[in-house]
Amino acid sequence: QKEVEQNSGPLSVPEGAIASLNCTYSDRGSQSFFWYRQYSGKSPELIMSIYSNGDKEDGRFTAQLNKASQYVSLLIRDSQPSDSATYLCAVKRNSGGSNYKLTFGKGTLLTVNP
Amino acid sequence: GAVVSQHPSRVICKSGTSVKIECRSLDFQATTMFWYRQFPKQSLMLMATSNEGSKATYEQGVEKDKFLINHASLTLSTLTVTSAHPEDSSFYICSAIGHFSGSARNEQFFGPGTRLTVL
Repeated sequence: QKEVEQNSGPLSVPEGAIASLNCTYSDRGSQSFFWYRQYSGKSPELIMSIYSNGDKEDGRFTAQLNKASQYVSLLIRDSQPSDSATYLCAVKRNSGGSNYKLTFGKGTLLTVNP
Repeated sequence: GAVVSQHPSRVICKSGTSVKIECRSLDFQATTMFWYRQFPKQSLMLMATSNEGSKATYEQGVEKDKFLINHASLTLSTLTVTSAHPEDSSFYICSAIGHFSGSARNEQFFGPGTRLTVL
């Protein structure tokens, strides 16, 4: 079983719609969860971080975490063409002395159509 | 926010040569830096964790003698790809963690990446 799983997509939504990106993880000891956006040929950019169960909203973005189900999601409201990118889910492993290590999913390619 | 720079952004070299990539935290002190590699259409793969003043910790399967990491100061880490070969061609990205106002716990800030092409 892969440690962090994401649907590779592509996920295609029309402009103005809500885009829903999902991620599951296998390590129940995971403590921190992150969503990064990566444009083609560029490095990842942090969008959201979430540490406790529930929802966390920041502008058009909402992260949702359910530790019991080992599930984290990202909702993008009022999607814009500029949101078209690969979205990476990252989980901080509970790995003793290396507490800052992140494990990344393969990413979901999102395309927002004008 | 925290800014991490990398240099060079792109490098083309001949097989057998060595290439050094620099990663700098510009407005904060990075106690820990990470080096990742990303092949086309693949996710980021952690290569090593670098702590200032100590030896880097390499991930399983990463050759420490081939990928030399030096974290000599709180703002600079370098990755040297020794005797590079075409299969080393990839996108190398560093990230950093440090104490910085506005930075929440555990957040990594990524550099812009270095695209290495070995002919």
